Amino acid sequence: QKEVEQNSGPLSVPEGAIASLNCTYSDRGSQSFFWYRQYSGKSPELIMFIYSNGDKEDGRFTAQLNKASQYVSLLIRDSQPSDSATYLCAVTYYGSYIPTFGRGTSLIVHP
Amino acid sequence: EAGVAQSPRYKIIEKRQSVAFWCNPISGHATLYWYQQILGQGPKLLIQFQNNGVVDDSQLPKDRFSAERLKGVDSTLKIQPAKLEDSAVYLCASSPIASGANVLTFGAGSRLTVL
Repeated sequence: QKEVEQNSGPLSVPEGAIASLNCTYSDRGSQSFFWYRQYSGKSPELIMFIYSNGDKEDGRFTAQLNKASQYVSLLIRDSQPSDSATYLCAVTYYGSYIPTFGRGTSLIVHP
Repeated sequence: EAGVAQSPRYKIIEKRQSVAFWCNPISGHATLYWYQQILGQGPKLLIQFQNNGVVDDSQLPKDRFSAERLKGVDSTLKIQPAKLEDSAVYLCASSPIASGANVLTFGAGSRLTVL
């Protein structure tokens, strides 16, 4: 059973701080790693994804992979109140392109 | 481009009744997914279609859930009879084709409440 684990939170950070969200996965045959953002009552939307071969930065967002420890992180720099949402981690595995989602981490950015 | 369309947005039924949800993916997207999201949990895959064929339905409770994508375009998910634990948001998503960079675009979801 392939599992994706996330701390449900909430993670509370002040405006302007760096928010660090983590996700652990159970299978070393993991291919791609996705971060989706889900506002309350809305559907998930993609923030960014990385392959198993490296990290990626996109604006205020950075996704980092630690293959040895089997976790992937999402860093949000200069956090804004509008970043307050649930962040879902998803993983696809070699041989299957179906994303398996974690339960999500709730982020609260307070002014 | 138009997004993933879903209907109805909300549905309230009594247990043992039936319900159907409809999804129209982004034009040209070969792959269509139905996910179930229970409050406080992440989306859980129910079924994946590639064109009009089923790729994975291993987590679909087949005694009560059924889904079809007859012409490889829109899809219908049916629940009959519904149970209290089926209360959830049913998310439809699509992607161009299943690949390593399998980015899903989700519809707005259909929220089901079973009383």
